Amino acid sequence: EAGVAQSPRYKIIEKRQSVAFWCNPISGHATLYWYQQILGQGPKLLIQFQNNGVVDDSQLPKDRFSAERLKGVDSTLKIQPAKLEDSAVYLCASSLEGLLKTQYFGPGTRLLVL
Amino acid sequence: SQQGEEDPQALSIQEGENATMNCSYKTSINNLQWYRQNSGRGLVHLILIRSNEREKHSGRLRVTLDTSKKSSSLLITASRAADTASYFCAPVGGGFKTIFGAGTRLFVKA
Repeated sequence: EAGVAQSPRYKIIEKRQSVAFWCNPISGHATLYWYQQILGQGPKLLIQFQNNGVVDDSQLPKDRFSAERLKGVDSTLKIQPAKLEDSAVYLCASSLEGLLKTQYFGPGTRLLVL
Repeated sequence: SQQGEEDPQALSIQEGENATMNCSYKTSINNLQWYRQNSGRGLVHLILIRSNEREKHSGRLRVTLDTSKKSSSLLITASRAADTASYFCAPVGGGFKTIFGAGTRLFVKA
C-alpha cells in the first residue's frame, strides 16, 4: 500500500514570496490533515478535511494560508505572502473515517523562508 | 480539544536500557495512540490502546493506560540506537480535536 506522498521535500523562498505544497493521501482515506511543525515543537494542526469539506481550520492563518482538497483526494496548501516565521516542516497526514483515527503521515516539506 | 502532554521532555539512556515516557490528558477518550518521529521525518504510528484496555504489547513496546488517572506510559525495552527519536502521544476522544504535545526526545547512546 502506497503511503502519503508530499512534494516538494524542500523549498527555500524569500519572504513575501508565495509557495505551494502538494499532498496525495492514502487511497480511500477520507480525512486529510495539514500540520505545521516548528523546530523543537510538536505538530500543530492547520486544517482538517473530511472528503472535500473543511472540518477544522481554526488555527489556519487565513490572511496568508489557504488550502483546498478538490474531489476529496489530493490537497494543496498555499502560503502567500510568506513570512520568516513560516519556516517549518509542513506535514500532511490522512486517516480513515471512524473513531480510531490512526493518522498516516507523509515525509513532510521543509520550508525555509529567508 | 484534547492535548496529550508528554513527560519527560528529554531522556538520554545507554543502549540496552529500558526507556519509559509518560503521557497525561484531560478529558475522556476512545483510544490513545503513540507515534514516533525520527529527525526530519513524518510521524509513524506505533501502537493504539483502547479505553477499555489496560496494557498492550507490540514487540519491544509496552503501553499502559490508566483512565482513572488520565495517563498512559510507553516502555521501550532493550533500547537500540535506532530508537533515538521523538515520541508523541495522541489521545483520541469522540468529537474532540486531537492536539499533539511537544513530545519526549529520546536519545539512545551506543
